[in-house]
Amino acid sequence: EAGVAQSPRYKIIEKRQSVAFWCNPISGHATLYWYQQILGQGPKLLIQFQNNGVVDDSQLPKDRFSAERLKGVDSTLKIQPAKLEDSAVYLCASSLTSGGRLRDTDTQYFGPGTRLTVL
Amino acid sequence: AQSVTQLDSHVSVSEGTPVLLRCNYSSSYSPSLFWYVQHPNKGLQLLLKYTSAATLVKGINGFEAEFKKSETSFHLTKPSAHMSDAAEYFCVVRRIYNQGGKLIFGQGTELSVKP
Repeated sequence: EAGVAQSPRYKIIEKRQSVAFWCNPISGHATLYWYQQILGQGPKLLIQFQNNGVVDDSQLPKDRFSAERLKGVDSTLKIQPAKLEDSAVYLCASSLTSGGRLRDTDTQYFGPGTRLTVL
Repeated sequence: AQSVTQLDSHVSVSEGTPVLLRCNYSSSYSPSLFWYVQHPNKGLQLLLKYTSAATLVKGINGFEAEFKKSETSFHLTKPSAHMSDAAEYFCVVRRIYNQGGKLIFGQGTELSVKP
């Protein structure tokens, strides 16, 4: 079974530029997550999709970050304009389900991440 | 609010000796707890999870963790460290009564294994 795919793996931009990340979840997984992992910290959820609808975007800086999941499969995360503090690894994860009561099918599988450096 | 605190930012052991990575949690409800491992330049991998069944949870690669409600702890252990265990380990709590199942990560513990 193929895992979660992300691209690019690395990206270096200057502040105020725009950048986009792409994620392809495991086939059939209805729930998709984007996390931000700043160096030395644990990942923090930015946004969660259930199919193509947003479930939780409370931690997404909406003035500069946007995300979409067209057709409920692939997803893109965009930053415009980037700031120095956006330097981090952006992780995508997917799960088959995401109910209130934890089930085996709620297990989140993570991609390798995109390392963003903002200069 | 739910949270986890990993008590050590870095742990160093010799190959063949036991591993102990400490985690305390805070939760108003019966929590679901996890340990994830992250090897350099690789994605996070689930080691094990606690979901209110057995308090001693066995995971992959010989790791196990014990849920202790009285101590609000969920420490990760392994009897004998291997060089390949060197990685970053995250203790994670899952939000309950949230339709999204949001994961809340600790700060991480870096495990070094000396030959």
